[in-house]
Amino acid sequence: DAKTTQPPSMDCAEGRAANLPCNHSTISGNEYVYWYRQIHSQGPQYIIHGLKNNETNEMASLIITEDRKSSTLILPHATLRDTAVYYCIALNAGGTSYGKLTFGQGTILTVHP
Amino acid sequence: NAGVTQTPKFRVLKTGQSMTLLCAQDMNHEYMYWYRQDPGMGLRLIHYSVGEGTTAKGEVPDGYNVSRLKKQNFLLGLESAAPSQTSVYFCASSYIRNNEQFFGPGTRLTVL
Repeated sequence: DAKTTQPPSMDCAEGRAANLPCNHSTISGNEYVYWYRQIHSQGPQYIIHGLKNNETNEMASLIITEDRKSSTLILPHATLRDTAVYYCIALNAGGTSYGKLTFGQGTILTVHP
Repeated sequence: NAGVTQTPKFRVLKTGQSMTLLCAQDMNHEYMYWYRQDPGMGLRLIHYSVGEGTTAKGEVPDGYNVSRLKKQNFLLGLESAAPSQTSVYFCASSYIRNNEQFFGPGTRLTVL
């Protein structure tokens, strides 16, 4: 699975959009981009995933560049409860990884009033 | 639906003691996973299961055993606990391979 790179921390004002970048320049054609988050002392929570098209669900939007070398997770209206560590993961859906999620250091997002 | 539940939430063991962590899911998921998370680090996969009666090793399987006798339950056993196994243990499940995983609340284990 491709390595991903994220900024260690970001700040966002409550009510504003939070844009979390992820670099995955070595991603292969059959690797999906997954986003999870972990709120302090809780289990990780799935947010969204995509292959090459932009995706949106009730939690967030995922924008993947045309060359698939980077992506951005967008939380449209951040709240204090969105303060968490956000993980970007490249996962080969067709391989033998059997769902092995490799969590790197992630981005600590702090939403402030 | 309770989702994924883990028992117990906290446990303190002495070196050499044994224990079993229970994970249960009510979503009829085929795949189940056990991870550990050490302070300041990401998750590492210990063992996983792709269906009832099956288990397989993950990244860090040494010192742990697992069993999946029923589809909804995945047990993680420590036969002889060591201080290096002090960690937070998370169980997860998914419907199919590489689909979104649902995580439990975690078990905080301290081995003295």
